[in-house]
Amino acid sequence: SQQGEEDPQALSIQEGENATMNCSYKTSINNLQWYRQNSGRGLVHLILIRSNEREKHSGRLRVTLDTSKKSSSLLITASRAADTASYFCATDEYKLSFGAGTTVTVRA
Amino acid sequence: KAGVTQTPRYLIKTRGQQVTLSCSPISGHRSVSWYQQTPGQGLQFLFEYFSETQRNKGNFPGRFSGRQFSNSRSEMNVSTLELGDSALYLCASSRDPNQPQHFGDGTRLSIL
Repeated sequence: SQQGEEDPQALSIQEGENATMNCSYKTSINNLQWYRQNSGRGLVHLILIRSNEREKHSGRLRVTLDTSKKSSSLLITASRAADTASYFCATDEYKLSFGAGTTVTVRA
Repeated sequence: KAGVTQTPRYLIKTRGQQVTLSCSPISGHRSVSWYQQTPGQGLQFLFEYFSETQRNKGNFPGRFSGRQFSNSRSEMNVSTLELGDSALYLCASSRDPNQPQHFGDGTRLSIL
């Protein structure tokens, strides 16, 4: 069953703009992970945030976690064409449960 | 360092046949998981192996099976293929189940 649900389903932005996507989940978690998938490829791990963390940064990525609302957000700053991909949140370490993903298109 | 390697990349089968997909994890990784990705159902967990033992299994029928060898390489088998089995099958590995997973590029299986 899908634990994480991303919102919006699709996002189109201009190069240089920021992209924000959200993830909601249903049950208690130990950590939440974000992955990126380029068309026709496997998933690439972006960042992991633990349940006792509220915010985490990695390069142009910023992830927040609100366990009281069971939600997380991923912010990509100063987007580039190479950021065009689908982004998934995943919960649970042993059997990752993914949402349907947010498809991000960065226009040049 | 080589990434996760899945073979074959593409496969076409007909209904009723069986298929075996292979996954070679990153060197040193002992945990291997398999996922099915379809446009309708998204990414769904199939099973996870660690040190040759199946630790978790998703909600798939018994036609889906897998195994892991002593060198951590893993195979999954699907018997009596159905049209709905058409999907991208992804394998992921990690040092242990607590670490983030590294994915291969998948095997795209098409059932005619």
